[in-house]
Amino acid sequence: AQKVTQAQTEISVVEKEDVTLDCVYETRDTTYYLFWYKQPPSGELVFLIRRNSFDEQNEISGRYSWNFQKSTSSFNFTITASQVVDSAVYFCALSEGIQGAQKLVFGQGTRLTINP
Amino acid sequence: NAGVTQTPKFRVLKTGQSMTLLCAQDMNHEYMYWYRQDPGMGLRLIHYSVGEGTTAKGEVPDGYNVSRLKKQNFLLGLESAAPSQTSVYFCASSTLWGPKNIQYFGAGTRLSVL
Repeated sequence: AQKVTQAQTEISVVEKEDVTLDCVYETRDTTYYLFWYKQPPSGELVFLIRRNSFDEQNEISGRYSWNFQKSTSSFNFTITASQVVDSAVYFCALSEGIQGAQKLVFGQGTRLTINP
Repeated sequence: NAGVTQTPKFRVLKTGQSMTLLCAQDMNHEYMYWYRQDPGMGLRLIHYSVGEGTTAKGEVPDGYNVSRLKKQNFLLGLESAAPSQTSVYFCASSTLWGPKNIQYFGAGTRLSVL
């Protein structure tokens, strides 16, 4: 069965610090997709990034970067120079196909608090 | 852009009452999903739909029913609410086939069953 583990339940840092959110996954599929979503205090889920299993290049978007390592089944998320607006719950998810649709298997989430 | 809209945003029910949660999307997406979010458990798939008139069970379907009579709407029903159904419910939609889909989520409905 597919599984996603986010071992860090809560993280609290001071503004401008760098912070890394860990995500470890389990799957028997050779082709799969990984996602990160952000859930700010307002409650909605916001899509951040999608990564497929055959592209191991790291991705950078502004202060956000993602490190995908197939050898360790990890897809970690780093925020550089964190800001208060980054405070949110962050979910990592693994995708599997079901009858043409898609099932997202979510991790438990990491609550990130950035203190001013 | 409205995207995915869920109504109501909050609801309190007594045990045994019924209710329907409405999800509407204006992106012409084929696929729609209902999830529930519980503390420490991430989101879990309740039911999903691959098109108008079709529905299927997800990971935790018991106690829920769904209908997709129109492409843009996906309804989640609780026939006899139980305290174990206290949760935050999210609807999502997507357009592409298969596992590379990006699901777009609504703002959630917070339901309490007393």
